[in-house]
Amino acid sequence: EVQLVESGGGLVQPGGSLRLSCVASGFTFSNYWMHWVRQAPGKGLVWVSHINWDGSSTSYADSVKGRFTISRDNAKNTLFLQMNSLRAEDTAVYYCVRSSHYFDSWGQGNLVTVSS
Amino acid sequence: DIVMTQSPDSLAVSLGERATINCKPSQSVFYNSDNKNRLTWYQQKPGQPPKVLIHWASTRESGVPDRFSGSGSGTDFTLTISSLQAEDVAVYYCHQYHTSPYTFGQGTKLEIK
Repeated sequence: EVQLVESGGGLVQPGGSLRLSCVASGFTFSNYWMHWVRQAPGKGLVWVSHINWDGSSTSYADSVKGRFTISRDNAKNTLFLQMNSLRAEDTAVYYCVRSSHYFDSWGQGNLVTVSS
Repeated sequence: DIVMTQSPDSLAVSLGERATINCKPSQSVFYNSDNKNRLTWYQQKPGQPPKVLIHWASTRESGVPDRFSGSGSGTDFTLTISSLQAEDVAVYYCHQYHTSPYTFGQGTKLEIK
């Protein structure tokens, strides 16, 4: 069974940093592109970032470019999202997502709250 | 960026009746190299992650009831629930995985009339 378990979220002040992790199991992690998707409270889904199989290619939404960094450790089956210079508008549930073309498996999500 | 426009924003349908949700990408999500539309439909219930219903615009995900169907091509897509059940109350999203950034529709809230 595919499992994606996010951690690392919580309350942080504006301008602060957080690092989200997502541990994958039940599949060969290094065979898949991975993504982060977020959802602000009561709002819709927004794609944040993706990384290819070996980490050699990444892309970001304009709203996080230059502040967030996606990475992966295939030896540890783990996906990361380093979030710096956080803003109130980054407050959201962050989902770790696997894709085989379409986004086929989602984690349960991890809440990040940016507030003073 | 491809803008995904869903209609309606909300919908109330009687139990056993048909529900139809539309999704219009601002540009085609058809991929010539494999002859497929790169569009997914999700169902999301409160406090849960999105659940894949339909991918490649019309392929039902394993385990999804056959009352859910997807149709369309290019820039015009439809999700149909043929006979609404109480457990179908949720928010539904379309999503394109044709071009980065991989954009979502704004969501359609489906309720029981």
